[in-house]
Order: sequence, then C-alpha cells, then structure tokens
Amino acid sequence: DAGVTQSPTHLIKTRGQHVTLRCSPISGHKSVSWYQQVLGQGPQFIFQYYEKEERGRGNFPDRFSARQFPNYSSELNVNALLLGDSALYLCASSLDVRYNEQFFGPGTRLTVL
Amino acid sequence: DAKTTQPNSMESNEEEPVHLPCNHSTISGTDYIHWYRQLPSQGPEYVIHGLTSNVNNRMASLAIAEDRKSSTLILHRATLRDAAVYYCILRVVNTGNQFYFGTGTSLTVIP
Repeated sequence: DAGVTQSPTHLIKTRGQHVTLRCSPISGHKSVSWYQQVLGQGPQFIFQYYEKEERGRGNFPDRFSARQFPNYSSELNVNALLLGDSALYLCASSLDVRYNEQFFGPGTRLTVL
Repeated sequence: DAKTTQPNSMESNEEEPVHLPCNHSTISGTDYIHWYRQLPSQGPEYVIHGLTSNVNNRMASLAIAEDRKSSTLILHRATLRDAAVYYCILRVVNTGNQFYFGTGTSLTVIP
C-alpha cells in the first residue's frame, strides 16, 4: 500500500518567488495536515483540511495558503518567499479529523536563497 | 509557545529500558498526549497516544501522571533501530484536532 507521497522532494527558490507543494494522502484518508519543520526543531502546524474545507490554521502569515481537491490530495502555496521559509514541509493524512493517528510523508525540502 | 518540553538528548545502552520524559503543564482536560518518532530524512512515525490512563502497545508504553502535567514514554528494550528523535505532542481537540509538537529528544542507543 502506498503511503503519503509528496512532491517535489527538494526545491530551491529565491526570495520573493512563490512555491506550490503537493501531497497525496493514503487511499481512503480524507484529512490532510501540513507542517513546517525548521532544521533542529519540531514540526509546526500550518493547516488542516477535511473534506475540502479548512478545519484548522496555525500561526502562519497569509502568504501561506492551501487547498484540498475532490480526490483529497492537497497543495500548499507560499507567496513572497523569505529566507526564513527554508524548511522541510511535511504533509500528514488521517482517516478523518478525529482519528488519533496521522501518517506523515517524507516531506519536501525547500531552500530559499 | 511550546506546549511540551523535553530534554534535548538522552543515551541508552542496547537492550536496556529507556524512559523519555515530557512536561505539558498547560494541558487541558480534552488534550490528548501523543508520541511520534522521526528517523533522519523521514517523516514522523506514530508511537503511542493516551488521554488519562497508562497505555501499552507493541512498540512502547505511555505513563501519564495523575495530574496529566507530565508523561513518560517507555521503551522496554532499546534496540539500535530505536535511535531517533522522539516528539511529545499535544493534540488539541477543541481547536480542530491540531498537533502541537515539542522540540524533541534525540535518543542515542549505545551497542
């Protein structure tokens, strides 16, 4: 069975550009969450989506946005990139928002120069 | 503000028990305590979770203090494959079931 997949694996951008990260959840999972993990720190919650609706948002600026598609895949968009946006972006899926276990993908490593 | 605090690092000898502590003094009555671990270049992996009572599964045990302000993850016999960063997490139910990670404990297992 395929786990959570994320693309691309690595990405290099320059300041001011925008980026789109993609996530495909485990088949049958309807909830997707996004996290930012800066080097040496724990993941920080960005967004949670369930059934294509935003169900939670962390303390991130409006430059960060996301959406979930009818097939439950998701995109995370970041505009006007800053050097501080360099991080590992993790996607996690779960059956629904109340389910105890989240399954994480391997992440997308974003470097902003 | 971090909702959980953990030691930065710990060491254990192989095949000995490991107790990983976590403080979560601001926990509310509906928050769940989760533990995940992360190997290099991988996403976090579920270990165990609980609400009020101690929990056991095939990977580990979770001991929760009576006032719920602290918890301890117990690995009964550490193996080299248990070397990872262990995260203590609060799952805040009343704001949408969000996970709040701590800074993690890097566990080194000595052969």
